[in-house]
Amino acid sequence: KAGVTQTPRYLIKTRGQQVTLSCSPISGHRSVSWYQQTPGQGLQFLFEYFSETQRNKGNFPGRFSGRQFSNSRSEMNVSTLELGDSALYLCASSLMGNYEQYFGPGTRLTVT
Amino acid sequence: AQKITQTQPGMFVQEKEAVTLDCTYDTSDQSYGLFWYKQPSSGEMIFLIYQGSYDEQNATEGRYSLNFQKARKSANLVISASQLGDSAMYFCPQWASTLGRLYFGRGTQLTVWP
Repeated sequence: KAGVTQTPRYLIKTRGQQVTLSCSPISGHRSVSWYQQTPGQGLQFLFEYFSETQRNKGNFPGRFSGRQFSNSRSEMNVSTLELGDSALYLCASSLMGNYEQYFGPGTRLTVT
Repeated sequence: AQKITQTQPGMFVQEKEAVTLDCTYDTSDQSYGLFWYKQPSSGEMIFLIYQGSYDEQNATEGRYSLNFQKARKSANLVISASQLGDSAMYFCPQWASTLGRLYFGRGTQLTVWP
């Protein structure tokens, strides 16, 4: 069974640009969550999607948005990038969102 | 509010020895899940073990076992027979069912030396 995949793995952007990250969950999993990991703040929850609906949202500005498609693949978008958005972005998939969460390899975003 | 505390920023253990990584949590939820993940320097978060709040038996997965003490709100990870490949950052997030998310602590950096 294929694991969670995230693309791209590495990304370099400049301030003010926007970026879209993609996450493909494990086959059959309907919940996808996104987390941001930085050395200063640790791991913080961004949002969770289940069956194309955002069920939960963390405390991030509106520049951070996401969506989920009918095949459960999810995208995360960050507009007007700031230096502080440099981080490892991890997505996790699970069957229903309340059991074992399996993470992808992450996308390392660097904003210059 | 949910809070995870991992009091050991760094731990060192010799290969083939056992090691315990501490984790305490703070929640008012009755139903919750506790996880342990390993994150090597590559960044991927690798699932190790899961314990549900209503599970009476401590979870075990191969060399990993979870010492769950509900009254003390403690969920320590025991790794038996450490291997060099166990060197990584370890996290013990709690699943908050009322909020639908994982809450992470700051992690423990484990170093296994030969």
